Amino acid sequence: QSALTQPASVSGSPGQSITISCTGTSSDIGDYNYVSWYQQHPGKAPKLLIYDVTNRPSGVFNRFSGSKSGNTASLTISGLQAEDEADYFCSSYISSNTLYFVFGTGTRVTVL
Amino acid sequence: QVQLVQSGAEVKKPGSSVKVSCKVSGGTFSTYIITWLRQAPGQGPEWMGRIIPYLSVTNYAQKFQGRVTLTADRSTGTAYMEVSSLRSEDTAIYYCAKSERSDWYFDPWGQGTLVTVSS
Repeated sequence: QSALTQPASVSGSPGQSITISCTGTSSDIGDYNYVSWYQQHPGKAPKLLIYDVTNRPSGVFNRFSGSKSGNTASLTISGLQAEDEADYFCSSYISSNTLYFVFGTGTRVTVL
Repeated sequence: QVQLVQSGAEVKKPGSSVKVSCKVSGGTFSTYIITWLRQAPGQGPEWMGRIIPYLSVTNYAQKFQGRVTLTADRSTGTAYMEVSSLRSEDTAIYYCAKSERSDWYFDPWGQGTLVTVSS
């Protein structure tokens, strides 16, 4: 099973909006609304940002939002801030006899 | 607030084994699912397997079946992951993470344990 495909890098200026895509298949993103997104700062553990495609845990700013269309999920960061500079990973449940969850390749967000 | 605290970094020889612990505090361990993941340098996380202590159930990714063993001690609220027959490609940061019974995501994660396999 291959990893979900994300762009290697995305950049934006403070205050702008950016969108990170996460492309899978009909066995994962396309078949389940169990997509989650994680933010990871250098040397830190991943932190949950979005779960079940669109839901935000308490404490996560509403600048972060998620969506899905077909086999592709997306994370949008509105009003980009300096502290948003980090790596972002998507994840999906997968219908497979050999694996339960698959992760994305990761996207480095740079705030210009 | 639930916290997962992992054991410290390890350096191992190829062919040996490593056992990493993950102590859960601030919550009800018996109701959780503990998942183990690893992250090689510059890569995304990789799902290795999970343990459901209250059911004594384990599930493994096929890639790790037979080489990874997940256990849990409900009396101390600690989960363990043992990887055997280590090779250089197993060098990575290993994480434990918590889910609730109906969750399909991981929150929170432990701080990570660096395992280096080198001769």
